[in-house]
Amino acid sequence: EVQLVESGGGLVKPGGSLRLSCVASGFTFSDYSVNWVRQAPGKGLEWVSSISSRSTYIYYADSVKGRFTISRDNAKNSLYLQMNSLRAEDTAVFYCGRAGSTSLNYIDVWGKGTTVTVSS
Amino acid sequence: DIQMTQSPSSLSASVGDRVTITCRASQDISNNLAWFQQKPGKAPKSLIYAASSLQSGVPSKFSGSGSGTDFTLTINNLQPEDFATYYCQQYNSYPRTFGQGTKVEIK
Repeated sequence: EVQLVESGGGLVKPGGSLRLSCVASGFTFSDYSVNWVRQAPGKGLEWVSSISSRSTYIYYADSVKGRFTISRDNAKNSLYLQMNSLRAEDTAVFYCGRAGSTSLNYIDVWGKGTTVTVSS
Repeated sequence: DIQMTQSPSSLSASVGDRVTITCRASQDISNNLAWFQQKPGKAPKSLIYAASSLQSGVPSKFSGSGSGTDFTLTINNLQPEDFATYYCQQYNSYPRTFGQGTKVEIK
C-alpha cells in the first residue's frame, strides 16, 4: 500500500524550531518529487515547499523562504522540513504529498498530516 | 504568482443533484490543474489531474474540464459522502497555488 506518514509536530514557542519528517512506503521514493502543504485552522490549503527526486530542484513559498528548509534521504525513504524562527501564523496541519518526477508534477498521494502549534 | 479563484465559495445541494465548481487562473496554465476533495479533519484526497484525468479509483461521477484559465469540476448524482470542501491547484509553475476552496453542503 502506498503510504506517507508524517511526524514531528507539536507545541513550540514563537522563535523556536521544529523538524518534521515524512516516511514513505509502498513505492520507490527516489522516483518522486515530494511536497509539504499546510492548512491553518479553519483555512484553506497552502503549498509550502517542493523537492525533486534527487534534491536537484527545491522551491519554497515566500511565506517560509529563509526560515524553512526541505530535504530528503532517499536511502531512508524520508522527507524532512526543518522549521526555524517559527511564528504564530505557522500554526497548521502539515501534510506531505507525493508528486511525479517531471517538472509538471501534481500531488497524487497525501499523508494524514502532523499538527504544529506555535504559541507562548 | 498565479492566483487561483474558485466560485462559489460555498453551495448547498441535495442528494442526487449535479453540482459544478469553477476555478479561474490569473494566467494561462494550459491543463496543469488538479482537483482535491477534503472532508473535515481529514487529509485531502486527489481527484483529478491534467484538468480532466481521473485519479485511479475515483468514481466517474467526478469530471473535470477546461484549459488555459477557466476550469470546472462537476459532480453528478451527489451522495452524502460527496459533501466536502473541494480545492483546485495549479502545477504549471512555482509557487504552486491553491484556490480558496468550495464547501459543498447539504441543503
